[in-house]
Amino acid sequence: AQKVTQAQTEISVVEKEDVTLDCVYETRDTTYYLFWYKQPPSGELVFLIRRNSFDEQNEISGRYSWNFQKSTSSFNFTITASQVVDSAVYFCALSGYNNNDMRFGAGTRLTVKP
Amino acid sequence: GAGVSQSPRYKVAKRGQDVALRCDPISGHVSLFWYQQALGQGPEFLTYFQNEAQLDKSGLPSDRFFAERPEGSVSTLKIQRTQQEDSAVYLCASSLPPTGVNSPLHFGNGTRLTVT
Repeated sequence: AQKVTQAQTEISVVEKEDVTLDCVYETRDTTYYLFWYKQPPSGELVFLIRRNSFDEQNEISGRYSWNFQKSTSSFNFTITASQVVDSAVYFCALSGYNNNDMRFGAGTRLTVKP
Repeated sequence: GAGVSQSPRYKVAKRGQDVALRCDPISGHVSLFWYQQALGQGPEFLTYFQNEAQLDKSGLPSDRFFAERPEGSVSTLKIQRTQQEDSAVYLCASSLPPTGVNSPLHFGNGTRLTVT
């Protein structure tokens, strides 16, 4: 069975602070994919990143960075110098080779205050 | 627009009514998914189409839920005899490749269904 745990329900930071959103996953598959999506108040889930299980290289995209550690089954997401526009619910997701078994975590609501 | 379009944006139904939710995926996208998102939760998979074929409906919670995609583009999720526990946001997503090729999903804004 596949499972995604986002232990942080809500996080509140002040603008310009760095913040890390945690994601821990469980799977028996050897090939799997990990995702992060952002859900702003408008409701649409916005794709941020996809990593496959064979690529443990960390990735940086502007103020966003992702730390994939297979040894601890974690795929954490860090926002550097947070901005008010980063306020949203962030979901970590896991899927196998096929999209139709994608599992989402419960989400972390991030509030960035000015 | 170029994104996934869902309508209506909001739907209020009285318990026992039937509802139909529409999803217009990105043009040319082969795969279409429906998810149910309860308040404060992550999306839960309902069903999956590859073109017009419904390949996986394992997530549909009961036989009151029915989805179709007759021409391989627009999809409709129908809920018969709605109950209060059906209240949720229903999200539609599409992706270009067929199943077997993992790719990011493109989501619509969802339909918020409230059953009173």
